Amino acid sequence: GAGVSQSPRYKVAKRGQDVALRCDPISGHVSLFWYQQALGQGPEFLTYFQNEAQLDKSGLPSDRFFAERPEGSVSTLKIQRTQQEDSAVYLCASSPLGSYSNQPQHFGDGTRLSIL
Amino acid sequence: AQKITQTQPGMFVQEKEAVTLDCTYDTSDPSYGLFWYKQPSSGEMIFLIYQGSYDQQNATEGRYSLNFQKARKSANLVISASQLGDSAMYFCAMREGKDTGANNLFFGTGTRLTVIP
Repeated sequence: GAGVSQSPRYKVAKRGQDVALRCDPISGHVSLFWYQQALGQGPEFLTYFQNEAQLDKSGLPSDRFFAERPEGSVSTLKIQRTQQEDSAVYLCASSPLGSYSNQPQHFGDGTRLSIL
Repeated sequence: AQKITQTQPGMFVQEKEAVTLDCTYDTSDPSYGLFWYKQPSSGEMIFLIYQGSYDQQNATEGRYSLNFQKARKSANLVISASQLGDSAMYFCAMREGKDTGANNLFFGTGTRLTVIP
């Protein structure tokens, strides 16, 4: 079956531009997570959706970051007025709810964002 | 305090030998899960193995095993019979709470493993 799909794979933007990153989770997965991975670091949590509800956005670094999942499937992470420190790989992960055993979060290949 | 600590930035192992990647964790939640992911240079995060806090036995998945020492709060990954394709970044991660679908993961800084022919 299809895994988590992210697009674009690479994005280059000039400082100050707005960008939108897309995540298409595994079909039927209720939970969707966004993570930010800076160069040489582990991923860090940004935000979490359960269906269309954004239940946790505590990891979003500033109000320039906005995420939505209006129909409970595809999610978009938007960054407004990009800054150089936004350069990172943005990873999306999905998971069934009620994963009490060894079900992992399934990750996409990520979007590598470079701000010039 | 860091929730996940990986103290080995880089490790080298001879092909066909075994290697242990260290991971310690910090949580006060009695229910948690520990994961290891592999990230090749292409960037995808590949799930390797899982250990639940209440699991009595160490997890094993093929050539991967997890040395779970609850009292020491360590969850080291052991890769047996290393292959060239094992060269990658390895991340230890933890979920606090019972449900992987309802709780974000905390990641360590990773260990870069290089397998030498």
